[in-house]
Amino acid sequence: QKEVEQDPGPLSVPEGAIVSLNCTYSNSAFQYFMWYRQYSRKGPELLMYTYSSGNKEDGRFTAQVDKSSKYISLFIRDSQPSDSATYLCAMSYQAGTALIFGKGTTLSVSS
Amino acid sequence: GAVVSQHPSWVICKSGTSVKIECRSLDFQATTMFWYRQFPKQSLMLMATSNEGSKATYEQGVEKDKFLINHASLTLSTLTVTSAHPEDSSFYICSAGTARNNNQPQHFGDGTRLSIL
Repeated sequence: QKEVEQDPGPLSVPEGAIVSLNCTYSNSAFQYFMWYRQYSRKGPELLMYTYSSGNKEDGRFTAQVDKSSKYISLFIRDSQPSDSATYLCAMSYQAGTALIFGKGTTLSVSS
Repeated sequence: GAVVSQHPSWVICKSGTSVKIECRSLDFQATTMFWYRQFPKQSLMLMATSNEGSKATYEQGVEKDKFLINHASLTLSTLTVTSAHPEDSSFYICSAGTARNNNQPQHFGDGTRLSIL
């Protein structure tokens, strides 16, 4: 079993839809949880960063961490064609350590 | 704007050539930088952790003599792929964090696409 599981999709939605992306993980020692957006041939861009459990909201994006279920989610409201990209979840055990990534979910938002 | 700059963005070279990739933190001091590799439609896989002023720590299966990492200053780390072969063709990405925030969260460069002919 991989440490971080993420459905690669692809996921196709119409403009304005609410998008739900998620990852599961196996190691309860993870404490830092991140969501990155990656456009083709570009490096990952940090979207959301959460320490431990809870919710975090930033504009159209909401990140949720449920450590009891080992499950994290990213919600995108009012999705736009410019949101079309690959979304990567990432996590780490402690501050200063490298990230362990999910495989990424490819999202396509059609206008 | 970008906080981590990576150069070059794309390299095409002949088999046997050595290639150097630079990773710079633009507006902060990065005590630790990380080097990842990403194959098409795959996720990022950690290659090595680069600490300023000391030897890099390599992940299992990554040849340290082939992938030379130097982190001589708090704003610059370099990855040199020595005697590159076609199987080394990949997307190489660095990331950095600032020690003030315990290296979290990490910001990534835009990656270097390496194509070995």
